[in-house]
Amino acid sequence: EVQLVESGGGVVQPGGSLRLSCAASGFTFDDYAMHWVRQAPGKGLEWVSLISGDGGSTYYADSVKGRFTISRDNSKNSLYLQMNSLRTEDTALYYCAKDLLEMATIFDYWGQGTLVTVSS
Amino acid sequence: EIVLTQSPGTLSLSPGERATLSCRASQSVSSSYLAWYQQKPGQAPRLLIYGASSRATGIPDRFSGSGSGTDFTLTISRLEPEDFAVYYCQQYGSSLSFGQGTKVEIK
Repeated sequence: EVQLVESGGGVVQPGGSLRLSCAASGFTFDDYAMHWVRQAPGKGLEWVSLISGDGGSTYYADSVKGRFTISRDNSKNSLYLQMNSLRTEDTALYYCAKDLLEMATIFDYWGQGTLVTVSS
Repeated sequence: EIVLTQSPGTLSLSPGERATLSCRASQSVSSSYLAWYQQKPGQAPRLLIYGASSRATGIPDRFSGSGSGTDFTLTISRLEPEDFAVYYCQQYGSSLSFGQGTKVEIK
């Protein structure tokens, strides 16, 4: 059974940093691209970032480019999101999501999310 | 960037009725790279349809997707009580974007 468990969320001041983690199990982790997708309170879904299975390719939404860094450790079946220079508009529930294929950008499994609140 | 517009914003129907949800793209979605997700309150989204019409693993056949180019439709043939939720479309043909969602509520 595929499981994705996010952690690392919390309350941070504007300009601060936070590192999110996602522990994956139930599938061959390095065979699949992984994503972060966020959802602001009461709002829709916004894709944040993508990393290929081998970690060699990364992509970002324009809204986070230059501030967020996605990475993975395939030996630990873990995905990460380093978030710097946080803004109030980054407040959201952050989901870790598995790609249906290597880089299809279709999300077939999701974690339950970790909440990030950026507030002074 | 391709903008996806979903309609209606809210659909009020009774169990057993047919639901038809629309997703319109601001430009053509290449190769019908369009997916649909269902999200219930307090839960993560669930993949229903990808490639415009392929059902994801374990999705009941009352859910079907159709369309191409700029106009796509998700149809739920007979609504079950567990189908009342918010539905999002997503295109992955040119970068990646989501629609704003359609809420299917009990009438």
